[in-house]
Amino acid sequence: GESVGLHLPTLSVQEGDNSIINCAYSNSASDYFIWYKQESGKGPQFIIDIRSNMDKRQGQRVTVLLNKTVKHLSLQIAATQPGDSAVYFCAENRGSSNTGKLIFGQGTTLQVKP
Amino acid sequence: EADIYQTPRYLVIGTGKKITLECSQTMGHDKMYWYQQDPGMELHLIHYSYGVNSTEKGDLSSESTVSRIRTEHFPLTLESARPSHTSQYLCASSESLVLMPGANVLTFGAGSRLTVL
Repeated sequence: GESVGLHLPTLSVQEGDNSIINCAYSNSASDYFIWYKQESGKGPQFIIDIRSNMDKRQGQRVTVLLNKTVKHLSLQIAATQPGDSAVYFCAENRGSSNTGKLIFGQGTTLQVKP
Repeated sequence: EADIYQTPRYLVIGTGKKITLECSQTMGHDKMYWYQQDPGMELHLIHYSYGVNSTEKGDLSSESTVSRIRTEHFPLTLESARPSHTSQYLCASSESLVLMPGANVLTFGAGSRLTVL
């Protein structure tokens, strides 16, 4: 079936470097995407979202890029810090209805080395 | 900090026991959800509710049941727990209106980790 997936299960970066976490999706009808961060023992926490009519959105130290042509989503974290260590999930909302029924990918574990 | 609370955080029980996982939110959100997550894996929607007296099955089949008698409360019940039910259960809520960026955002609780022996 169709799913949202991430390219790498684990990403290790040096503190201060930029991190790029990738996500591929297969449903061209998806119109809304979210990145979540999940720290150990906690529930997922919203980072940033983007709608399909945009190709870039920036937040504080984070940028989400959407390439609808190749169905690819990425999360860029600038100047990665130890507190950024977590599992990152991309999620998509399919179709135009706001059901909140998000489809999640498998997650990428970001490890920040001091 | 999210205003959505789940209890218990951790529960270890024997096979055949009935359990209820509690979820409450103080944000007045109409929509509430239960996701199931195995360690290191993605989240799967098992139940959702659009408001009081509204409940629907999610994409992943589950033997659990839910109820929505009050807006703020969305408990999940397993009548007879089995080892295959061992997992983390995450409750979430969201607002109904969606025309603004971020309006579809789910706010998650910290989760209830269930272990069935």
